[in-house]
Amino acid sequence: RKEVEQDPGPFNVPEGATVAFNCTYSNSASQSFFWYRQDCRKEPKLLMSVYSSGNEDGRFTAQLNRASQYISLLIRDSKLSDSATYLCVVNIRTGNQFYFGTGTSLTVIP
Amino acid sequence: NAGVTQTPKFRVLKTGQSMTLLCAQDMNHEYMYWYRQDPGMGLRLIHYSVGEGTTAKGEVPDGYNVSRLKKQNFLLGLESAAPSQTSVYFCASSYPTSGRNSEQFFGPGTRLTVL
Repeated sequence: RKEVEQDPGPFNVPEGATVAFNCTYSNSASQSFFWYRQDCRKEPKLLMSVYSSGNEDGRFTAQLNRASQYISLLIRDSKLSDSATYLCVVNIRTGNQFYFGTGTSLTVIP
Repeated sequence: NAGVTQTPKFRVLKTGQSMTLLCAQDMNHEYMYWYRQDPGMGLRLIHYSVGEGTTAKGEVPDGYNVSRLKKQNFLLGLESAAPSQTSVYFCASSYPTSGRNSEQFFGPGTRLTVL
């Protein structure tokens, strides 16, 4: 079983739409959680950390459900520039190893 | 600051050839990582290092070796390249803390093709 699983999509949404991505992780000892964004043929970059209480950064909201071991990312008022692949990432303290989901592809359509 | 840099950006090898990928970071990070990214597989950890002179195996270490002789550099070696090692290789670095401050910073990637 993979450490982190994501729906690969693709998600094709119109500008202004709200879109949500979910991710599940298998290791209950996971310590910290992140969403990264990866543009085509580029390196991943941190979008936001995911806090237990949930957190918001502008149009982006991340939530964590430890009991069900899933993480979500909500994007409101989608922009064309949001088109990218979104990677769910889980950190397990031992060796500070990070486990990446395969990514969810988003295309925002004019 | 340059952040994380990788050399080379592209490389084509023949089966059996060897090469070394160089990763350098100027953020004084303790931890460094090598990943490979393949379609449908996501990023998979090859090897990582928690400090100068130390290395450890990740999820897919076979066929690769690494060295961390200097804190700022992390080298990934392929002794005898195979077509299955055709991939995009990313280096990353981070501070040693886990939790919210353990953001990883990635290099631009090396696209390797093994014929």
